[in-house]
Amino acid sequence: QVHLQQSGPGLVKPSQTLSLTCAISGDSVSSNSVWNWIRQSPSRGLEWLGRTYYRSKWYNDYAVSLKSRITINPDTSKNQFSLQLNSVTPEDTAVYYCARESASGWAEYWGQGTLVTVSS
Amino acid sequence: DIVMTQSPDSLPVSLGERATINCKSSQSVLYSSNNKNYLAWYQQRPGQPPRLLIYWASTRESGVPDRFSGSGSGTDFTLTIGSLQAEDVAVYYCQQYYATPYTFGQGTELEIK
Repeated sequence: QVHLQQSGPGLVKPSQTLSLTCAISGDSVSSNSVWNWIRQSPSRGLEWLGRTYYRSKWYNDYAVSLKSRITINPDTSKNQFSLQLNSVTPEDTAVYYCARESASGWAEYWGQGTLVTVSS
Repeated sequence: DIVMTQSPDSLPVSLGERATINCKSSQSVLYSSNNKNYLAWYQQRPGQPPRLLIYWASTRESGVPDRFSGSGSGTDFTLTIGSLQAEDVAVYYCQQYYATPYTFGQGTELEIK
């Protein structure tokens, strides 16, 4: 059974960097699985942010609207992956989820969610 | 981006009655090479992450009660709950995984009448 455990601060100041980590158990970050970040806010609903996956080398896909600010990185030594979002504003306030994508694209396993508030 | 639009936004249903939620995509999510619709449904209870109910538009995830069913093809899809139970009170979302960015509907809040 796959389990995703999220960690990271719940409060980030405007213009700073949001950093979250998703620790994986029951699978490997280097497997054929695809690892996503999704966020949810009242104003934007559920919003796909991006993903990372390994196919002989590492690949990333990002939402175009965030492409200049977002980085998703795998950490094979700790079997986890991370989200970094730079230059945050209050509009980035949301519950952030990590999720494992099935081979075909639906999100079959989710982390518990982390509420991140952007405020000074 | 593919826009997903659900209706209604809120749905009051009596216990034991049928609930029907609609989802429309701005372009077809049917992949012609395998004749599969790249459409999933999720249930989200308060304070919890979304839970996968249905994928390929009509395939129930393991452990999902058979009162949940999905139908539709192309751009129009439906989630049906055959006989509403109290534990079905939640927000339901459709999602297309035909192309990135994956996109979700705005959600339908299912409540007890």
